[in-house]
Parts: sequence; structure tokens; C-alpha cells
Amino acid sequence: KFMLTQPHSVSESPGKTVTISCTRNSGSIASNYVQWYQQRPGSAPTTVIYEDNQRPSGVPDRFSGSIDSSSNSASLTISGLKTEDEAHYYCQSYANTNPNWVFGGGTKLTVL
Amino acid sequence: QVHLVESGGGVVQPGRSLRLSCAASGFIFSSYGMHWVRQAPGKGLEWVAVIWYDGTNKHYADSVKGRFTISRDNSKNTLYLQMNSLRDEDTAVYHCARDGGYDGGDYWGQGTLVTVSS
Repeated sequence: KFMLTQPHSVSESPGKTVTISCTRNSGSIASNYVQWYQQRPGSAPTTVIYEDNQRPSGVPDRFSGSIDSSSNSASLTISGLKTEDEAHYYCQSYANTNPNWVFGGGTKLTVL
Repeated sequence: QVHLVESGGGVVQPGRSLRLSCAASGFIFSSYGMHWVRQAPGKGLEWVAVIWYDGTNKHYADSVKGRFTISRDNSKNTLYLQMNSLRDEDTAVYHCARDGGYDGGDYWGQGTLVTVSS
């Protein structure tokens, strides 16, 4: 089993760029793809990044993902921040054992 | 478009049972693995169970193993979660999610709230 650790919260001003990290504590971050989900209050999660750095259709190119093997972490970067980006963001990867999907604890993004 | 709608949540006493449903539309249901993921009030996402596209394989989180059963009826485009011996700590919003085929999910339902309380 492994864990994914995210910062509890981040905040930034509209128009700026923010990066949310997701650090894997054991095993290589590159061994399984990382996904990022956005969840607004009272809503279902939606996928904003899959397979480390791929954007689903309809997700603006202000959202980008990457992994860094040296720090064993994944990152979600949102540029040109808008107030509508305010939400919780969760990273997730796959484990060959239980649990099948491992989630980070989530990061609350505040755009103010 | 893809649509996943959960139902069956409610308030239930500890030790009792509940069955959740997830109605799928907008895609070929029988071609996709499906997951249940839950979210306790004010908490993060926790994976619960997965079932393969044809129902032949199922896996569970340790926290629900032996108490919950995931199943599907591909003729009805519906996913189920039978929850037995419910505990206070099972209180959560339960989401169904479609397996994206790439180590994660691509579409999620809005969720149904299960409250376990005496």
C-alpha cells in the first residue's frame, strides 16, 4: 500500500498560477498513472487530468499535470486562475492491491 | 452524454442493511468496469469496491470486505451496492464512477447519502 499526500489548502489571486502537489510515500510515482479530480461543494467529482498530463475534452488548457520522479510527486497547475476554479482537488492513482484506487486527502483551492 | 444516477440512500440503524443503485446511460454499460467511492461528511474520497465490465471480478476495500457486495445487471444498465451490517463509520455520500481504463475514473455520479444512526 502507498499513500498520496496533498497540502490541505492553497490560495491565490485571480489571474495568477497555482500548483498543487501530490507526493507518493512508497513506490514510484511513475509506476501508475495519476489522475486529478475537481469537486465543487455539493457536486460530483469531475476529471480535470488523467494519465498524468492528459486533459479530457472540455477542460481548459489552463489546467496541466505533470509528474516528477526526483520528488516522487505529481503536480496540478492551474494558470490564469478564475473564481470558478475554487474547489477541492484530489489526486488519485492505482494500486495493484487494496485499495484499488488510492486518493490523496484533497486540497481546497481558494481564489480570492 | 454519460449519465450516472445513484439512488437508495437514507437513514438506517447500525447493523441494518441497505442497497444502493446506480443507473447508467449514454454509454455501453456492459463494456466498462464500475466503482463505488464514498465520502464521509467533510472528508475526502475513499474507494469502496470495483466490478469488472462482465461481473467476473470484484474487489473491495478492507473496511467493507465481508459486509458489502458489489454487483451489476448489464441488461438493466445498473450497478448495485448491497451494504450489510452497517456501522456508524459507513455514513457517507456514495458515488458510482466509471472506470476510465487508465488507472482511474472518468465519469462520476452525484452520489446518494447514507446515514447510519440509531
